[in-house]
Amino acid sequence: DAGVTQSPTHLIKTRGQQVTLRCSPKSGHDTVSWYQQALGQGPQFIFQYYEEEERQRGNFPDRFSGHQFPNYSSELNVNALLLGDSALYLCASSLPTGRELFFGEGSRLTVL
Amino acid sequence: DAKTTQPNSMESNEEEPVHLPCNHSTISGTDYIHWYRQLPSQGPEYVIHGLTSNVNNRMASLAIAEDRKSSTLILHRATLRDAAVYYCILPKDSGGGADGLTFGKGTHLIIQP
Repeated sequence: DAGVTQSPTHLIKTRGQQVTLRCSPKSGHDTVSWYQQALGQGPQFIFQYYEEEERQRGNFPDRFSGHQFPNYSSELNVNALLLGDSALYLCASSLPTGRELFFGEGSRLTVL
Repeated sequence: DAKTTQPNSMESNEEEPVHLPCNHSTISGTDYIHWYRQLPSQGPEYVIHGLTSNVNNRMASLAIAEDRKSSTLILHRATLRDAAVYYCILPKDSGGGADGLTFGKGTHLIIQP
């Protein structure tokens, strides 16, 4: 049973560019959440998708947007990249009424 | 999410029990207590959760104080593989399952061989 898979694992961008990160949830899961983890900090909640709609959002600017596809996979898009966007981006999946989140290993974004 | 307080770091010896404390004095009656851990270079991993009664699973035990203002994650026999950052979280519950979690800095558990 495949767990949560994310791609790419590492990428480097420059300031002002745009990036798209991808996530495939654990089999049977239809809810996907995204988190940002800066070095030495705990993960910070960005947003959650369920039934192809954003259901909850954390305290992140509109530069951060997402999408969920009919097969429950999801994308995180970040526009106008800033140096401070350098972080590990984590995707987590869950059942709609489940209390347990399953995390992927993350995509490491470096902005130069 | 209700605020939690954890020690920054703890150290234990391999094959000994580990008790990781968490204070959550502002917990409400419907707040669940969740624990996750994050091993180096990996995403967080669910460990256990509970509401009022003590809980056990294959990974750990969760002991919840009678007034629910504190809890303790118990690793019965620590191994080197248990070295990780442990997060105690009280998620908001909008009735829709796993809402967005607020992770603090957690407790960095060091296991000595």
